[in-house]
Amino acid sequence: AQSVTQPDIHITVSEGASLELRCNYSYGATPYLFWYVQSPGQGLQLLLKYFSGDTLVQGIKGFEAEFKRSQSSFNLRKPSVHWSDAAEYFCAVGNQAGTALIFGKGTTLSVSS
Amino acid sequence: NAGVTQTPKFQVLKTGQSMTLQCAQDMNHNSMYWYRQDPGMGLRLIYYSASEGTTDKGEVPNGYNVSRLNKREFSLRLESAAPSQTSVYFCASLAGAYEQYFGPGTRLTVT
Repeated sequence: AQSVTQPDIHITVSEGASLELRCNYSYGATPYLFWYVQSPGQGLQLLLKYFSGDTLVQGIKGFEAEFKRSQSSFNLRKPSVHWSDAAEYFCAVGNQAGTALIFGKGTTLSVSS
Repeated sequence: NAGVTQTPKFQVLKTGQSMTLQCAQDMNHNSMYWYRQDPGMGLRLIYYSASEGTTDKGEVPNGYNVSRLNKREFSLRLESAAPSQTSVYFCASLAGAYEQYFGPGTRLTVT
């Protein structure tokens, strides 16, 4: 069965430092992969997606993610974090039936000054 | 273009009461979804509707019913609310190839 694991529940990064949020997936075929961000009290916003092709994908707000099939990973990165990036981040994979997304449990990012 | 809208934003129910959560989208999307979000659990799919007139169960459908009223609207009903249904509920619609747009959520507390 498909699943998504986000190993880090909570990460704190200093403002201006680089960020990497980990995501591992379990899927039998080529996955459709997503990262969403949720600010406090808000809905989810799509940051970026991977369907096929170039394994390094660029998203909004300066985020990027790299698909590594050999490691079953789709880690999210940002070179320099801003205080406004503090939020909860969700990795997701499209299910095999093509009907819905399967979400990880999320990683909460705190940004210290 | 409002995207996906949900009403109400907040609701408090007593155990056993019923209510309907409303969702509407103005993007002409075919597929719509209801998720619940609980701390440390991520989002879990309750029901989805691939097109007008069809609905299917997701991961956690027990205690819920849905209606796809037309292409725009997809409602979620709790017939007899239980404290275990205290959660934040999100509606989403599908733009294409899994890309979902989410509403702002309904925060429900059942006492």
